[in-house]
Amino acid sequence: AQSVTQLGSHVSVSEGALVLLRCNYSSSVPPYLFWYVQYPNQGLQLLLKYTSAATLVKGINGFEAEFKKSETSFHLTKPSAHMSDAAEYFCAVSDNTGGFKTIFGAGTRLFVKA
Amino acid sequence: NAGVTQTPKFRVLKTGQSMTLLCAQDMNHEYMYWYRQDPGMGLRLIHYSVGEGTTAKGEVPDGYNVSRLKKQNFLLGLESAAPSQTSVYFCASNRGVGQGEETQYFGPGTRLLVL
Repeated sequence: AQSVTQLGSHVSVSEGALVLLRCNYSSSVPPYLFWYVQYPNQGLQLLLKYTSAATLVKGINGFEAEFKKSETSFHLTKPSAHMSDAAEYFCAVSDNTGGFKTIFGAGTRLFVKA
Repeated sequence: NAGVTQTPKFRVLKTGQSMTLLCAQDMNHEYMYWYRQDPGMGLRLIHYSVGEGTTAKGEVPDGYNVSRLKKQNFLLGLESAAPSQTSVYFCASNRGVGQGEETQYFGPGTRLLVL
């Protein structure tokens, strides 16, 4: 069965500092991996995804994530945080076995201090 | 394109009442999903559909039913609402699998309060 663990329900960084949001997954087959962002009172929108091509994936708003099979990780990073990055971030895993069900992590809320 | 829309945006129910949440997408997507979001638990899949006329159970299907009579619509029903079903409900859709079609597009959510 698939599962996703996001380490840290809250992360706080200063504006301009490195953002690192951690995600570990479990999957019995090669996974599809996603990071979604949710701003207050909105639905989720895709930041980036890994679908077995390049292991370093670049997304929108300067975010990127690296797929590390040996560590079963897909951590999200951004070199320099901006106030507008404050939101909740969800890591998710899917596989192509019957319906493409997606399992989401519990989410990490990012706070950005001025 | 409106993308994915959800109706209603907010609803208050009394225990035992029934209601239907409507999700509509205008992107001709095959796959549609219903999730619920609760604090500290991320999104949990309730039911999903891989095409018109098909439905399947997700992680937390009990107390819910769904129908996909038309490709563009996915309905979520609560036959007898319970306080435990107080949540924010999100609908999502994607075109398929492979060649970049896996990205799910989400609606704005429906806030449901069951008293």
